[in-house]
Amino acid sequence: GENVEQHPSTLSVQEGDSAVIKCTYSDSASNYFPWYKQELGKGPQLIIDIRSNVGEKKDQRIAVTLNKTAKHFSLHITETQPEDSAVYFCAAKHNFNKFYFGSGTKLNVKP
Amino acid sequence: ETGVTQTPRHLVMGMTNKKSLKCEQHLGHNAMYWYKQSAKKPLELMFVYNFKEQTENNSVPSRFSPECPNSSHLFLHLHTLQPEDSALYLCASSQEIGGELFFGEGSRLTVL
Repeated sequence: GENVEQHPSTLSVQEGDSAVIKCTYSDSASNYFPWYKQELGKGPQLIIDIRSNVGEKKDQRIAVTLNKTAKHFSLHITETQPEDSAVYFCAAKHNFNKFYFGSGTKLNVKP
Repeated sequence: ETGVTQTPRHLVMGMTNKKSLKCEQHLGHNAMYWYKQSAKKPLELMFVYNFKEQTENNSVPSRFSPECPNSSHLFLHLHTLQPEDSALYLCASSQEIGGELFFGEGSRLTVL
């Protein structure tokens, strides 16, 4: 089955700086890669996703890049704000198969 | 009303108790899921239901018993749990199997 590894497990940045979270996957058939944000006391919420036919996708201050050859994808958050503090999860799946999640990155944005 | 509602939000139970977690989705989705979230570990898929029929049981111990009476409601019945079962249990739904997941806020379970 698929194996998704996520790094780092914790990340602390100053407000206004950029944050990058990286994930690798093992199954070259995986073709959908979502990122979830989980705020304290809440469930994960989809913030951005990318499919394997695209190399990069942006939505305001967040972007995701995908390198299919190396089997890794990354979440980029620019101009970080305190409200970006949360746990971020990456995931991978192939078509209608189940999602495989990374172990999460706790992002702390210091004001 | 939020899309996926879970109750109770917090539950403390002894190892001999029987309790149930409830999930309700108001999104008109056809698939529902139970996930277990433990600290610093990936989300673990437990059960999958599609049109109220169970399609996946991810080798979950029998002390966890799911029930899906209809496409909008999902229960997780708990009995004779172990302390290592303490975790956040997340319910999710999707329009179809493998579609975008919408999560509830979770039920924090502590087993004493």
